[in-house]
This record gives sequence, structure tokens and C-alpha cells, in this order.
Amino acid sequence: GENVEQHPSTLSVQEGDSAVIKCTYSDSASNYFPWYKQELGKRPQLIIDIRSNVGEKKDQRIAVTLNKTAKHFSLHITETQPEDSAVYFCAADNFNKFYFGSGTKLNVKP
Amino acid sequence: DGGITQSPKYLFRKEGQNVTLSCEQNLNHDAMYWYRQDPGQGLRLIYYSQIVNDFQKGDIAEGYSVSREKKESFPLTVTSAQKNPTAFYLCASSPTSGGGHGQYFGPGTRLLVL
Repeated sequence: GENVEQHPSTLSVQEGDSAVIKCTYSDSASNYFPWYKQELGKRPQLIIDIRSNVGEKKDQRIAVTLNKTAKHFSLHITETQPEDSAVYFCAADNFNKFYFGSGTKLNVKP
Repeated sequence: DGGITQSPKYLFRKEGQNVTLSCEQNLNHDAMYWYRQDPGQGLRLIYYSQIVNDFQKGDIAEGYSVSREKKESFPLTVTSAQKNPTAFYLCASSPTSGGGHGQYFGPGTRLLVL
């Protein structure tokens, strides 16, 4: 089956800096890659996604890039704010079965 | 946030007891999922269903059972065979069984063992 690895497990940045979270996947059949943000005690919420026929997608301060050849995708957050502090999960959709990374705890220091 | 609900918010289980977690969605989504989340860890798939009256095991199905008798409902039973059930359980739904769409999560049920 699919295996998704996510790095780093924790990330601390200063407010206004950029943050990058990276994920790799193993199965080239995976074709859709969502990212979720989970605040403490809350449900994960979809923040951005990318399909396998697209290399990059941007939505205001967040962007996702995908390298199909290398089987890795990344989340980029620019101009970080304290409210960006949360756990972020990447996932890969493999025939409508989702495989999640282990999560990155992002701490944005004011 | 609306559209997919879970109940109860907290659930206490005694030794040897089966308990059922409710998940309901009014989004008309075909696919539904159950995940288990342990502290500081990612989401692990327990069961998923892409269509009514059909479901498949995920990576950690042992000790759990599900049913999908209605499109909007996907209850999860934690049986006495599950020896370490304490966790945060998340239900999710997705628009189509064909893939390529994100999942919408319920608010979760926290299960604790007495």
C-alpha cells in the first residue's frame, strides 16, 4: 500500500517568516494530495489540495508544489501569523483511500 | 463546520463492553471514513465505505466493526476485542467514490476506558 512520510515533525518560526513542510509518497498511482490543518482538540480542516496533473497551486499565503517524478509534495506558508500555529497533515489519495503523514506541529512565535 | 456530525463528544467504556460511535452527514457524500488519532500522531484508517451496504477494512480494523445501511450514516462499534481503545475518533466524508476530492471531518469523539 501507499506510505506517506512527512517532515519535519515540529517547526518553529518567527512571525512573518516562511514555513515549509515536506511530504513524500511511495505509490505513483496516488493522484490527489490534500493538506489539512488541525488546531488543538479540533477536527482537521482542508486548507489546500493539488491534483497530479498540476505542479503548483497557490491560495493567498499558502501554496503547494508537487513533483510527480520524485514523488514529493510540499506546503509553503508565507508571512506566517500566530493563528497559523497548528498541526498540519499531508495526505495522498490512492483510489479514494487516503494515507496521512504523521503531522507537523507548527509554532509561530509573535 | 456543519454537515457532518459525531456523537457523543466523550464516551466512556467499561471493560468487556461494546460501544457505538455515531457519524451522520447531510452533504450527500458517497464515501465515508473512520480514523483513529492517538496523541501526537497522525490519522490511521479503521474502515471506509464508498457506497451504501459496502465497506472495506483499513489498516487497523481489528476490534472494530461498521455498517452502512444508509448513505448519510456510518456508525462505528468498538468491540471488547479492541484492547487499547482510548483515542480520538474522527469520521469523515468525501463527495465521490471516484477520488480526487478532499475529506470533510466531523468534530470527533474522544473515547476513554474506565
